[in-house]
Amino acid sequence: DAGVIQSPRHEVTEMGQEVTLRCKPISGHNSLFWYRQTMMRGLELLIYFNNNVPIDDSGMPEDRFSAKMPNASFSTLKIQPSEPRDSAVYFCASSYWDGNEKLFFGSGTQLSVL
Amino acid sequence: QKEVEQDPGPLSVPEGAIVSLNCTYSNSAFQYFMWYRQYSRKGPELLMYTYSSGNKEDGRFTAQVDKSSKYISLFIRDSQPSDSATYLCASALSGSARQLTFGSGTQLTVLP
Repeated sequence: DAGVIQSPRHEVTEMGQEVTLRCKPISGHNSLFWYRQTMMRGLELLIYFNNNVPIDDSGMPEDRFSAKMPNASFSTLKIQPSEPRDSAVYFCASSYWDGNEKLFFGSGTQLSVL
Repeated sequence: QKEVEQDPGPLSVPEGAIVSLNCTYSNSAFQYFMWYRQYSRKGPELLMYTYSSGNKEDGRFTAQVDKSSKYISLFIRDSQPSDSATYLCASALSGSARQLTFGSGTQLTVLP
């Protein structure tokens, strides 16, 4: 398996633009997570899906952030409009249960909002 | 106060040294404890996990949890340059990943 695949790897955009990050989870994993990582705040959970249904979006910072999972093999995280403070590395992870829930992370999208 | 605190480092050691990485946590109800390794420009990968107190060993790596002092440790024996990475500790009330609280990570460099 190729692991969790995220695209793009890098995104540079201007303030006010719409940004869409994409994720393909590992086949057979039924949970998907979006995280944001910054130096100041570390790794923060934004939203969590189970069987394609959003379960907990309490970590989404503002209404400018939205996430969808239209099917088991694809998810998007959208920021509209983007702001410089959104600059961070965004990780997607999928999971399976083996006694406890094990997370597998993608390589992340480095987002820079100018 | 963060629920999981971790010294950010950076920490540099010579090859072959024993490395000790540490975290403290504030929630005494935490039962699951994990260590993730994150190479530069990569996502975190699960390295070790333990349930409740005690030690767990996997090759050169030993994870230790002391619930009485709310202290989590990761020891790396015979450290290698390939161990150079950021190490994140994480804790949770249950085995559910959505409850994981991550530390900020300790950057480790093993010098050849």
